[in-house]
Amino acid sequence: SQTIHQWPATLVQPVGSPLSLECTVEGTSNPNLYWYRQAAGRGLQLLFYSVGIGQISSEVPQNLSASRPQDRQFILSSKKLLLSDSGFYLCAWSGLAGLSGELFFGEGSRLTVL
Amino acid sequence: AQSVSQHNHHVILSEAASLELGCNYSYGGTVNLFWYVQYPGQHLQLLLKYFSGDPLVKGIKGFEAEFIKSKFSFNLRKPSVQWSDTAEYFCAVLGGGYNKLIFGAGTRLAVHP
Repeated sequence: SQTIHQWPATLVQPVGSPLSLECTVEGTSNPNLYWYRQAAGRGLQLLFYSVGIGQISSEVPQNLSASRPQDRQFILSSKKLLLSDSGFYLCAWSGLAGLSGELFFGEGSRLTVL
Repeated sequence: AQSVSQHNHHVILSEAASLELGCNYSYGGTVNLFWYVQYPGQHLQLLLKYFSGDPLVKGIKGFEAEFIKSKFSFNLRKPSVQWSDTAEYFCAVLGGGYNKLIFGAGTRLAVHP
């Protein structure tokens, strides 16, 4: 069966420090991968998605970047964090069998920037 | 661009009460609509979805949603809630290719025994 893991689960970082959140998927090949952010009182905002190794699409201008160095690995990064980067970050994957709309989400990573 | 609005951010009900959570979307063309749920301590998961056909969609755990095109709505309903339905509920619309979902702000439901 397929599984998805994110880490770290919780992170407290000072403003200006770098960030790296990792996500890995097991049990499937060539998934679509996504990074969402949930800020307090707001919905889930799609940040990035990827349809293959090295292929990254950004949905909103921001301080963050994403990379996909391997088929089942998706990384969210920042060189210098801002206060506004605080939030709950969710990684998700979906299969390629048409537009099912079914995404499978990880446990989430809660980032607090102080 | 498509958007999704959920009117109720917090709902508190007693067990056996009926539930209706509102969801409106902005796009006037063909839409694919979803409800996702996140139970405490668990992953966000799909509750039900509408692609075409019968506008009344049934999902897991007794939930259903009705697609009303004229009202741009996709409200979630359950006739009798249980304590175990306490969760956060998100309405979403498929926003283009690659299974990109656009989510609403979510509704936190608390069911008291």
